[in-house]
Amino acid sequence: GAGVSQTPSNKVTEKGKYVELRCDPISGHTALYWYRQSLGQGPEFLIYFQGTGAADDSGLPNDRFFAVRPEGSVSTLKIQRTERGDSAVYLCASSASLTSGGGTDTQYFGPGTRLTVL
Amino acid sequence: AQSVTQPDIHITVSEGASLELRCNYSYGATPYLFWYVQSPGQGLQLLLKYFSGDTLVQGIKGFEAEFKRSQSSFNLRKPSVHWSDAAEYFCAVVGTRSGGSYIPTFGRGTSLIVHP
Repeated sequence: GAGVSQTPSNKVTEKGKYVELRCDPISGHTALYWYRQSLGQGPEFLIYFQGTGAADDSGLPNDRFFAVRPEGSVSTLKIQRTERGDSAVYLCASSASLTSGGGTDTQYFGPGTRLTVL
Repeated sequence: AQSVTQPDIHITVSEGASLELRCNYSYGATPYLFWYVQSPGQGLQLLLKYFSGDTLVQGIKGFEAEFKRSQSSFNLRKPSVHWSDAAEYFCAVVGTRSGGSYIPTFGRGTSLIVHP
């Protein structure tokens, strides 16, 4: 597709369950970012990939959160033992990574996955 | 660490009126600044960005923003608002994170309501 896609668009789960959220970046984009957006807030950085490796995971809130990008394209955000406080919209973005370190490149965002933990 | 303040949670304007959305940032060095728009069910879309040079930046959809270092501000403006501009607007500043990368820090957003 032409843009960043995320699946599912909505995910409802129960407290304590495991969830996976998927992101398909724009083809050829080497940088991929995950953000979390709580109600009434701006996106909050979680993790940044450059190719297959996590270049910066300093935004992950705790060890229940993990993300992978094994082939340098699709990424999966994994949340173990979900808690009600994890309810949010999870956004993915990609960029062509024309400059080192990310961030200053134009990021293209997906529509997000709305996660609800009951 | 960098931070962004968008003091207005909601702004209501009439269609055809001018618009200014406020953004104040905190960052020790020269900032990289962005404005994004988020429509319901859509991803964030970049409106414009400032890295250096001319402090008045033109963006898409008729928006512009002015960087004022003395006021640590990067306010977004549009001379005549259209009903389709109703959305959430986010200001962001890029600075170095603890992990060493340059990642945007976003404000909490301003919701723009347009009355016919």
